[in-house]
Amino acid sequence: DARVTQTPRDKVTEMGQEVTMRCQPILGHNTVFWYRQTMMQGLELLAYFRNRAPLDDSGMPKDRFSAEMPDATLATLKIQPSEPRDSAVYFCASGPSGGTDTQYFGPGTRLTVL
Amino acid sequence: ILNVEQSPQSLHVQEGDSTNFTCSFPSSNFYALHWYRWETAKSPEALFVMTLNGDEKKKGRISATLNTKEGYSYLYIKGSQPEDSATYLCACTGTASKLTFGTGTRLQVTL
Repeated sequence: DARVTQTPRDKVTEMGQEVTMRCQPILGHNTVFWYRQTMMQGLELLAYFRNRAPLDDSGMPKDRFSAEMPDATLATLKIQPSEPRDSAVYFCASGPSGGTDTQYFGPGTRLTVL
Repeated sequence: ILNVEQSPQSLHVQEGDSTNFTCSFPSSNFYALHWYRWETAKSPEALFVMTLNGDEKKKGRISATLNTKEGYSYLYIKGSQPEDSATYLCACTGTASKLTFGTGTRLQVTL
């Protein structure tokens, strides 16, 4: 049963530290999305890729967040330096192409910045 | 920018009740409408994706309809069960591929 995997599942860190979250999309999927779940805004899109190329990262604070896909099996979301307001659950999702195609979500990384 | 709204925010029904909730979206630049089911402490799971005006989809006791001209979709649950308790999210794509999510309807079904 193919699934999106994310690591770590939980991360507690101190303000100012670098945090890297990893995602392995479902094999064969060519779109990858990063979302953040917050109490106020529900699921907000941070960035997405198609065929490893970044298509839109307008939802991401550029000064501290960066997203990359070093290869087709790995997507990373990095926060440097982290701040308490970054505390949230970060979801990765992958899909065959986007648009009408279903996105499949990973289990999420729960980040707590103290 | 798509503005997706869902109502009600939360709903509490008894086992066996049928229920429905609404997703509203701008009808211009519409491309697809997705419904997801999101259980607490889990990740969202896809229920349906619809594109055409008048589309109806069904999975077991859950069904959905789509009206792209007036910009709304309904999700129906027939004979609610406690295991239906979850947050139901709708999301739209416009001309870009990315999904814009509503804030969800939280459903609680009690015995």
